[in-house]
Amino acid sequence: QSALTQPPSVSGSPGQSVTISCTGTSSDVGSYNRVSWYQRPPGTAPKLIIYDVSDRPSGVPDRFSGSKSGYTASLTISGLQAEDEADYYCSSYTTSNTFVFGTGTEVTVL
Amino acid sequence: QVTLKESGPALVKPTQTLTVTCTFSGFSLSTTGMRVSWIRQPPGKALEWLARIDWDDDKIYSTSLQTRLTISKDTSKKQVVLMMTNMDPVDTGTYYCARTYGAGSYASDYWGQGILVTVSS
Repeated sequence: QSALTQPPSVSGSPGQSVTISCTGTSSDVGSYNRVSWYQRPPGTAPKLIIYDVSDRPSGVPDRFSGSKSGYTASLTISGLQAEDEADYYCSSYTTSNTFVFGTGTEVTVL
Repeated sequence: QVTLKESGPALVKPTQTLTVTCTFSGFSLSTTGMRVSWIRQPPGKALEWLARIDWDDDKIYSTSLQTRLTISKDTSKKQVVLMMTNMDPVDTGTYYCARTYGAGSYASDYWGQGILVTVSS
């Protein structure tokens, strides 16, 4: 199972919006609405911010939103804040009854 | 309060078997729908999903690593154990355990801090 493809890095100024793509195949992203997104600030454990493509766990700001079209899922961070600087990973359930993570994206707030 | 903590050796030799333990609190692995997964991250690389065990003892493994992995649980001790055989330097990385429960039954809502395992002779 190959990792889902994410851009290595994205950046934006405070208040701007950034979008991270997560491209898979018909065996994962394209088959299920079971895409999740994790935020991992430096030196900390990953934190779930989106599950089932677009649902947010309690306590996650609505600046974070998710969507999916075909084999590509996307995470949008609106109103970018300094505290959003972190690595972001997508994950998808697969037709092999396993899970696959994305390659990871570093978000920099300029 | 849900917490998970990984423990195990910081250093293992090539060909040895790694045993890492996830000790959790704040939930029971006998609760319907409860699941615990293991995920790892080699230095400078992406997260990699390894295995998951469910409340009913159902287990699933990474396709590429399934011959080397064994996951088990001790509900009374609130522990999940992952064994990985025939360790190699490429298996060096931080090993995390994480919980799945509730609406996001295909996502991990709580993670441990991870344990760094180095494979070297």
